Amino acid sequence: AQSVTQLDSQVPVFEEAPVELRCNYSSSVSVYLFWYVQYPNQGLQLLLKYLSGSTLVKSINGFEAEFNKSQTSFHLRKPSVHISDTAEYFCAVTFQSTGGGNKLTFGTGTQLKVEL
Amino acid sequence: DAGVIQSPRHEVTEMGQEVTLRCKPISGHDYLFWYRQTMMRGLELLIYFNNNVPIDDSGMPEDRFSAKMPNASFSTLKIQPSEPRDSAVYFCASSSPGTRHLHGYTFGSGTRLTVV
Repeated sequence: AQSVTQLDSQVPVFEEAPVELRCNYSSSVSVYLFWYVQYPNQGLQLLLKYLSGSTLVKSINGFEAEFNKSQTSFHLRKPSVHISDTAEYFCAVTFQSTGGGNKLTFGTGTQLKVEL
Repeated sequence: DAGVIQSPRHEVTEMGQEVTLRCKPISGHDYLFWYRQTMMRGLELLIYFNNNVPIDDSGMPEDRFSAKMPNASFSTLKIQPSEPRDSAVYFCASSSPGTRHLHGYTFGSGTRLTVV
């Protein structure tokens, strides 16, 4: 079985400061990894994903995440946050194989609050 | 594509009443998922369908909850009778095996249910 752990439920940070949201996963097989963002009163939107190849993946709005197989982690980072980044962020994992019911397993989410 | 469409966006109902939530997945997606999101429990998978057939309903909290997918373009989640503890945001999501690894799931905007 696969699982995802997001240890930080809330992360407060000042605008223009760097931030890291932690995500660790557990799986006995190869996985795909995702970060989703949920802005207030909206659904979840895909932020970025790791499928294969380069372990560092980037989004169009400055976020990046690095896949670390030895540490089974997929932490999300941004060197300088903006007020508009205030949202809840979810890490998710799914099996690379076509089996497993095509199911994504989500972490419990991290609320990022950017303050002036 | 209009994305995953959920209706209504907001629903307020009295305890004991029947509530029906609706979802239209993205055309061509053959997996459909129903999630519930609360502050206490985070994002919970209730049930998911593949090719209109329920695959895993182990997340459905009680017999008061039922879900159907009569065709590839429509699904309902029904609560009868509703209780105050059912108050939550209910999300529908869809995906297909061919694009799951590229896009993960596509979520609707959710239905905010309040049972008074």
